[in-house]
Amino acid sequence: QQQVKQSPQSLIVQKGGIPIINCAYENTAFDYFPWYQQFPGKGPALLIAIRPDVSEKKEGRFTISFNKSAKQFSLHIMDSQPGDSATYFCAASRPGTYKYIFGTGTRLKVLA
Amino acid sequence: ETGVTQTPRHLVMGMTNKKSLKCEQHLGHNAMYWYKQSAKKPLELMFVYNFKEQTENNSVPSRFSPECPNSSHLFLHLHTLQPEDSALYLCASSRTGGLLYEQYFGPGTRLTVT
Repeated sequence: QQQVKQSPQSLIVQKGGIPIINCAYENTAFDYFPWYQQFPGKGPALLIAIRPDVSEKKEGRFTISFNKSAKQFSLHIMDSQPGDSATYFCAASRPGTYKYIFGTGTRLKVLA
Repeated sequence: ETGVTQTPRHLVMGMTNKKSLKCEQHLGHNAMYWYKQSAKKPLELMFVYNFKEQTENNSVPSRFSPECPNSSHLFLHLHTLQPEDSALYLCASSRTGGLLYEQYFGPGTRLTVT
């Protein structure tokens, strides 16, 4: 119940493509779902986050889609660029806690 | 930069050595975290400190010993480690008031145990 399942493990797209990374969870008590981006040699950096009271959130070229009934959420990267090549992690947390449950990560490569 | 610094960035140590990792945050946060990141595994939360008090220890072996002297500094003392402890060790910090606890990560210490 505490797991967050992330797929795919790796993804290769052409420049301008729209990579989609999916995450699924079981615990309906989760109420905060951040996405982190990690470049080689760096720590994860918060990219965008969503709460379950909205179905979609956009920040620049990054969009989170949230399906509460299916207990799934996904990250879409519009007009992907080679500079977006990184590892992406989804996470979830419960209200009143500061403990994140992370997915296993997706290594994205955007070809020039 | 995220406002969370870690030193050293790289560390190679033998199984009988004693070393320490240091983390410092300049964000005014009151919670600090140690994570272990290994290839193809989720980030593993090791320890959580809130206002200098340890609030979480995820069954971490005693060869890892955390220390939090104040809300801005966090240490991870290492002794008699095993080769499987080789990993990237990440420090993070966050607020703990309000509804959101966005965690900000440092760059990590790449640890190799020989």
